[in-house]
Amino acid sequence: SQQGEEDPQALSIQEGENATMNCSYKTSINNLQWYRQNSGRGLVHLILIRSNEREKHSGRLRVTLDTSKKSSSLLITASRAADTASYFCATARGGSARQLTFGSGTQLTVLP
Amino acid sequence: ETGVTQSPTHLIKTRGQQVTLRCSSQSGHNTVSWYQQALGQGPQFIFQYYREEENGRGNFPPRFSGLQFPNYSSELNVNALELDDSALYLCASSPLSGQNTEAFFGQGTRLTVV
Repeated sequence: SQQGEEDPQALSIQEGENATMNCSYKTSINNLQWYRQNSGRGLVHLILIRSNEREKHSGRLRVTLDTSKKSSSLLITASRAADTASYFCATARGGSARQLTFGSGTQLTVLP
Repeated sequence: ETGVTQSPTHLIKTRGQQVTLRCSSQSGHNTVSWYQQALGQGPQFIFQYYREEENGRGNFPPRFSGLQFPNYSSELNVNALELDDSALYLCASSPLSGQNTEAFFGQGTRLTVV
């Protein structure tokens, strides 16, 4: 079963706009990770945020984590057509940090 | 490219048959995990191997089994294939050190059961 859900399931924006995706999860975690997947291929790691962190940046990516609400958000600023992909959050629980539990993903389409 | 390679890339099998999927982990990684991703869904954890032993298993029946070899490469075996086993199978490797590490995924094997 999925750990949680991404919201929205699908998002379509114009190039240059910002894209925000949300993720909710159900259990306590060691860290939360965001991955990107192009057209059913392998997943590419984007960013990892630890349970004791609240915000993290990497290039055009900004991730927040609210452990009290069991939720996270991924913001992609100044989006590009090449950002079109599915985005998944994944949680790692204590003692088994490499066993990831994924959400159902957000399909992002960036229109040129 | 992550350095994790999977073979084959695509495979078609008949219901009831058996299949073996292969994964070579990234250099220096001693932990390998397998995931099943049905169309339109997120990946689901099947199991993980560390030092040639199963080190955690998800909610999958015993007909899903695996191996890890001394060079840390791994196999996923599925017996008595069912139509619902049609999916993208992903292998991921990661280093043991530390809990807050990312997983490096291969490009996957697309299995179709007819």
